[in-house]
Amino acid sequence: AQSVTQPDIHITVSEGASLELRCNYSYGATPYLFWYVQSPGQGLQLLLKYFSGDTLVQGIKGFEAEFKRSQSSFNLRKPSVHWSDAAEYFCAVVRENNDMRFGAGTRLTVKP
Amino acid sequence: KAGVTQTPRYLIKTRGQQVTLSCSPISGHRSVSWYQQTPGQGLQFLFEYFSETQRNKGNFPGRFSGRQFSNSRSEMNVSTLELGDSALYLCASSPSDPTDTQYFGPGTRLTVL
Repeated sequence: AQSVTQPDIHITVSEGASLELRCNYSYGATPYLFWYVQSPGQGLQLLLKYFSGDTLVQGIKGFEAEFKRSQSSFNLRKPSVHWSDAAEYFCAVVRENNDMRFGAGTRLTVKP
Repeated sequence: KAGVTQTPRYLIKTRGQQVTLSCSPISGHRSVSWYQQTPGQGLQFLFEYFSETQRNKGNFPGRFSGRQFSNSRSEMNVSTLELGDSALYLCASSPSDPTDTQYFGPGTRLTVL
C-alpha cells in the first residue's frame, strides 16, 4: 500500500499568490513526516519535518506545514510564492523500520 | 561542514556491465541511505547503512548491493545492468538514523545503454 500520496502532479501559481501542496499518508503509528524540495539537477533539501508536539511546523524559506491526524494529512503552505520557489516538492514519511518513503512529488511552476 | 558528496556525478554504462557509486557523508554522520529516482517510479529507498552494517533494505533485486566503511563512506554496486537501472541515485546521510534530518548529495546520474 502506498505510504504517501501527493494528489497534485503539477501546480501553477502566480508569483505573490499563496500556495498549498497536499500530502496524505497511510500509516498506523505516529509518523515522522518531512517535506523536501528538489531544484533541477540538484539533490533534495529539507524544508521542514514533524515528529511530535505542535502540529503547525515552521520551515525554511517561509514554508510551513500542518499535521492533521484526523485527515492523515501534512500539507505544505506558503503565504506568498517567489519565482525561486519553482521546483519539485516531495512529502516523505519514515516508517518503523527506518526506511523513508516518498510521495510522487508535485512540480511547482511560478508564473510572473 | 562539507556536504554529502557523490562520485561520479555522471556515468554511462552498457547493459550487462556493473557499476560502483560512491558516497561520502557529512563528517560525523554514521547513517547513510541510498535512493533511486526515476521519472516513472519516483524516489525509492534502496538501503540504509549504519556502522558498517546494512540496517534496512528496500524492495530491489539482489543485483543492487552496498557497503559502508569504517569512516562511514558508502558504496553501492549494481551488477548486470539493465536499461531500467538508468536513474539518478541519491545518497543521504544523517547523524544516527533517517528520522534525523537527512542531508542529500547531488546524486549520480547513471545512464544504461
